[in-house]
Parts: sequence; C-alpha cells; structure tokens
Amino acid sequence: GEDVEQSLFLSVREGDSSVINCTYTDSSSTYLYWYKQEPGAGLQLLTYIFSNMDMKQDQRLTVLLNKKDKHLSLRIADTQTGDSAIYFCAEITGKLIFGQGTTLQVKP
Amino acid sequence: EPEVTQTPSHQVTQMGQEVILRCVPISNHLYFYWYRQILGQKVEFLVSFYNNEISEKSEIFDDQFSVERPDGSNFTLKIRSTKLEDSAMYFCASGYKNTEAFFGQGTRLTVV
Repeated sequence: GEDVEQSLFLSVREGDSSVINCTYTDSSSTYLYWYKQEPGAGLQLLTYIFSNMDMKQDQRLTVLLNKKDKHLSLRIADTQTGDSAIYFCAEITGKLIFGQGTTLQVKP
Repeated sequence: EPEVTQTPSHQVTQMGQEVILRCVPISNHLYFYWYRQILGQKVEFLVSFYNNEISEKSEIFDDQFSVERPDGSNFTLKIRSTKLEDSAMYFCASGYKNTEAFFGQGTRLTVV
C-alpha cells in the first residue's frame, strides 16, 4: 500500500544546511509536498514538486526528487533557529499520505 | 492572504458525547478534507469531499463520523459518540484542485 517514510530527528547548527530525507512508495503520485509544523500549530505548506521535475528551488529551500528511487529531499540553506519544527513529506494519490515527520532541531 | 479557519481551537468533551468540529475553507476552493493526528503519530486521512458528497474515506471514518457542508461556506465534522481514542488534533484542509491542500490550524479534541 501507500507509505511514506522519514527519519525522525535531525540536529544542525545555526547557519549550516539541513537535509531532510523521505522515501515514498506510490509511483503514480503526481505531486510531492513538504509541510512544516511548529509546536501547537497547523500544517504549513512549504513547497511542492511536480513528479516530472528533478529539482525545485525556492529561496532557501531546495527540493530534490529521484523518481527512480522514490526518494525526496528538502534542503534548507543557512538554517535559522526559526526553522526548528517538524517537517512532513507527503505524496498525493487522491489524498495526502504523510510521513511520520522529521523533528529539526537548530542549535545556536 | 486567505486561510482555512477552524473552530474551536480546543474542545474537551465527555466520552459518549457528540462533537461538531467546524471549518471555514478558503472561499473559492472546491475540495475539502479532514485529517487527524493522534499525539506523536502520523497525520492520517479521514475523508475527502467534493461536489457536495464524500469522494473518499478511510477505514477510520466509520459510522460514528459524518461531514456536512451546510451552507456553502462551512465544512463540519461530526463525531456522534466520542471515544477516548478519538482524542487527537483534527485538521481541515481545502484546495482549488485535488492536487493541493491548505490546512487550518487544527482543533485539539480531548475526550475524557
């Protein structure tokens, strides 16, 4: 069935780059998404990539998609303490299927 | 910027009681969803709604759950007889296309 997997935790120093990885199973997904959830808050759509693209850049965010390996990553350049949150990747197959979320901790 | 709004932000209810969670989707959106997140677990799909009917529902969305779009602006989730295990964060989402979903801030439901 559909499944999305992420590593649970990532710790980086302020100013470094963060790379959050995700694998998914459904090759028919048309779009793949990254959402951010700050403590006690809702899910904020950060960025998305269409499945026929390899890369998408949006300011400090770079999304890489390896469709052959069903691997998605989110790179945050110059990570700031305000980037500390849980990051969810999701694939869409009529509905969103979420990974379990990666907690990003940014140390000053 | 338009956003999805949910009320209340926190609801406490006794086991066996009915609750209605309310959502106002973004005004020109056509696709509506409910998801839930039990503390520490994944965000899970409950139901999708399009053209005034349910288009898909998950195994979680059993007979105790129902959705309604009563007046063209609100989108509600009703849980008829709440159980302890219904305690979770419930998220409403909407999209203009079925390939997008913008989420509200969520309603934290606590069943005691």
